[in-house]
Formats: sequence, C-alpha cells, structure tokens
Amino acid sequence: GNSVTQMEGPVTLSEEAFLTINCTYTATGYPSLFWYVQYPGEGLQLLLKATKADDKGSNKGFEATYRKETTSFHLEKGSVQVSDSAVYFCALSGGFGTGNQFYFGTGTSLTVIP
Amino acid sequence: NAGVTQTPKFQVLKTGQSMTLQCAQDMNHEYMSWYRQDPGMGLRLIHYSVGAGITDQGEVPNGYNVSRSTTEDFPLRLLSAAPSQTSVYFCATKRGETQYFGPGTRLLVL
Repeated sequence: GNSVTQMEGPVTLSEEAFLTINCTYTATGYPSLFWYVQYPGEGLQLLLKATKADDKGSNKGFEATYRKETTSFHLEKGSVQVSDSAVYFCALSGGFGTGNQFYFGTGTSLTVIP
Repeated sequence: NAGVTQTPKFQVLKTGQSMTLQCAQDMNHEYMSWYRQDPGMGLRLIHYSVGAGITDQGEVPNGYNVSRSTTEDFPLRLLSAAPSQTSVYFCATKRGETQYFGPGTRLLVL
C-alpha cells in the first residue's frame, strides 16, 4: 500500500543550525510528494512540493529533493530561525491506488531556541 | 476570502451525545475532506467529497457521517460520541494537488 514514514521527534535546534527531517515513502506509480507545516494552533499549510523524480521543491529557505531511487523526500534548511518552530508533515498523493487521497506521515515537531 | 472555516473551535461532549462539526469554504473547490489528527498517528482521512452530492469513505469512517448538499459546506456528524473520538478534526479543500486546511476543531469526549 501507500505510506509515508518520517523521523520521530521532537527535534530541538539552536537558531542558525542546519535542519534535516527525514521522510521515506512507499507507493506504486509516480506520486507527488509534499511537505506541510503546522504552526501552533493552526491548520496545515503547504510548504513545498515535488511532482516527479529529481525535482527539488523549495520555499522560505526549505528544500527537499524527490529521490525515486531511495524513495525519499528529506526536508532541509541551512539556518533555522525561532519562527520555524512548528510541526512538519511529509505527505504523498497521486500514486497508483491513491485515488483522491493524501497519505501523511506522523509529523515531526521542531523547536528552535534562541 | 476566508478560505476554509470550521466551527466550533472547541467542544466537550459526553459519551453517547451527537453533534455536527461545521466546515465551509469560499474558494469554490469541488474536493473537500475531513481528517482527524491524533498524537503519533499523523492525519487520517475520515470522509471526502469530490463534489456536491458525492461522498466517499476514507481510512477511518466508522462513527462519522457526512453529506454534501452544496459546494460550500461539508459538515461532519458524530452519531454517538465515544472517548475514542477525542481528537483534533481538520477540514480541507483541494485544488489540483494542493490542500487548504481549516484551523481545526478540538473535540473532547468524556
């Protein structure tokens, strides 16, 4: 079936540290991959996406590259800020058998301390 | 534009009570869905709709009903609340491959 696995949190980093949140997926066909972010007390917002192998999604200094050979879509940022503190969700959609559904990972909580 | 709105923001129910969580959108998106968010479980799809008059089950539909009489509204009904339904509920629309989430309803069932 289709599924997304992402690294367990919580993650605590100092400001300006490098961030990596790992995400791997299981799917058949050619899904699109997403990172969503949830700030405290809010709903999820799309952070970035990639629709085919080797595509790189980027937004607000965050990047993730669609690696079909390793079925991964790791989220990275070179220098995190306190305002990046949030929960990050990896998701996929559009592979064979997914229909209209999205499949989300369990979320990784990030806290950035000054 | 308000986007996706949900009411109420917070609700406490007793076991066996029924209630309706409201979701409305002003973006004219055909696709709408309901998720529940539980610690360590991520988001799980409850029901979704691809247009007015059309609904379908997601991953965890038991105990919930939906209907879609208009493009704008997609209410979620709990028929007989159980403590296992304590969760945060998110409504979302979709255009293309991008989903737009409401702010959520936090439900506590005692």
